[in-house]
Amino acid sequence: DVKVTQSSRYLVKRTGEKVFLECVQDMDHENMFWYRQDPGLGLRLIYFSYDVKMKEKGDIPEGYSVSREKKERFSLILESASTNQTSMYLCASTTTEEAFFGQGTRLTVV
Amino acid sequence: DAKTTQPTSMDCAEGRAANLPCNHSTISGNEYVYWYRQIHSQGPQYIIHGLKNNETNEMASLIITEDRKSSTLILPHATLRDTAVYYCIDMEYGNKLVFGAGTILRVKS
Repeated sequence: DVKVTQSSRYLVKRTGEKVFLECVQDMDHENMFWYRQDPGLGLRLIYFSYDVKMKEKGDIPEGYSVSREKKERFSLILESASTNQTSMYLCASTTTEEAFFGQGTRLTVV
Repeated sequence: DAKTTQPTSMDCAEGRAANLPCNHSTISGNEYVYWYRQIHSQGPQYIIHGLKNNETNEMASLIITEDRKSSTLILPHATLRDTAVYYCIDMEYGNKLVFGAGTILRVKS
């Protein structure tokens, strides 16, 4: 089975901290995505990557950056966490036909 | 931005078929119709996809109209575990996956 693993299920960080959310997939997929999900707003695309060292902005990239140094790993970075970045973060990895999601990281910024 | 439109919510009796509609008013020739669902506290789960023809798998059936402007996801015998948010998406192979608001399906006993 394809596995997409997010490094933490729950995370609490302080305002101003630099935060790294890690996502690893084990099926050699080229495409990887980061979303955030908030009540009433659905899943919103933050960044995506089509290949190693390639990245594209999604719909809400402000306040975030990403890193894709290896094909299997796609990292989401909050340079200086703020309370409005408290959310559920979901990573996905896709073949040409299907997307596989991790279980999500619930980040709370205090 | 999401390009599909779906009803906000639907109810279905347990054991009956659940028919979830979706409008794809701007779908292009290269785009497939995808359906995903998200059960509370979990990541979205792929259900089915198709281009022009109707499709069926172990989870559901997908009916796509001839003009491809609308589709219907059919869960033939809904169970309580099918209560979830269901998303329909137009996507070209390999492109980014953009979710809309989805339909909240409530299966009731």
